[in-house]
Amino acid sequence: AQKVTQAQTEISVVEKEDVTLDCVYETRDTTYYLFWYKQPPSGELVFLIRRNSFDEQNEISGRYSWNFQKSTSSFNFTITASQVVDSAVYFCALSESNYGQNFVFGPGTRLSVLP
Amino acid sequence: DVKVTQSSRYLVKRTGEKVFLECVQDMDHENMFWYRQDPGLGLRLIYFSYDVKMKEKGDIPEGYSVSREKKERFSLILESASTNQTSMYLCASSSPRTNYNEQFFGPGTRLTVL
Repeated sequence: AQKVTQAQTEISVVEKEDVTLDCVYETRDTTYYLFWYKQPPSGELVFLIRRNSFDEQNEISGRYSWNFQKSTSSFNFTITASQVVDSAVYFCALSESNYGQNFVFGPGTRLSVLP
Repeated sequence: DVKVTQSSRYLVKRTGEKVFLECVQDMDHENMFWYRQDPGLGLRLIYFSYDVKMKEKGDIPEGYSVSREKKERFSLILESASTNQTSMYLCASSSPRTNYNEQFFGPGTRLTVL
């Protein structure tokens, strides 16, 4: 069965620090998709990125970057020069099924960025 | 702009009441999901539906039922609300035809059962 682990429950950083959120997943499938979502205090989950299992290329989007390593089953998320607006709960998720029904979320990491 | 809407942002009910939480999506998605979110427990899947009138139990279906009479609407029903069902409820939708099954979420309903 698939599983997503986010070992960091809460992280606090000071503004402008870099921070990495860890995500480790387990799956027996060779085809799967990985996601990161952000949940700000307002409550609505906002999609950040998805990756399929055949694409190990790292991605950078502004201050955000993602490091996908199949060898360690990890999909880590780094925020560079963090800002107060980055304060949120971040969820990593895994989808095994082509039909999207086996979608598993990690427990989330609460990031607090202090001014 | 794609949209998932939920009928209420905040809801207060009494123990024993029947509670309906409604979710509507306008993206013609086949899959719809209900989660509850509690501190320290992340998102837990209650039920999902992959087609009209079809439903599957998730990880924590006890005390809940669902209804999907139309493709765009997925309702979560608490037959007799209890205090341990006080939680944030999130609805989501997705499609295997698009976006690698990315789930699109509604704003959530924070339910308090007194």
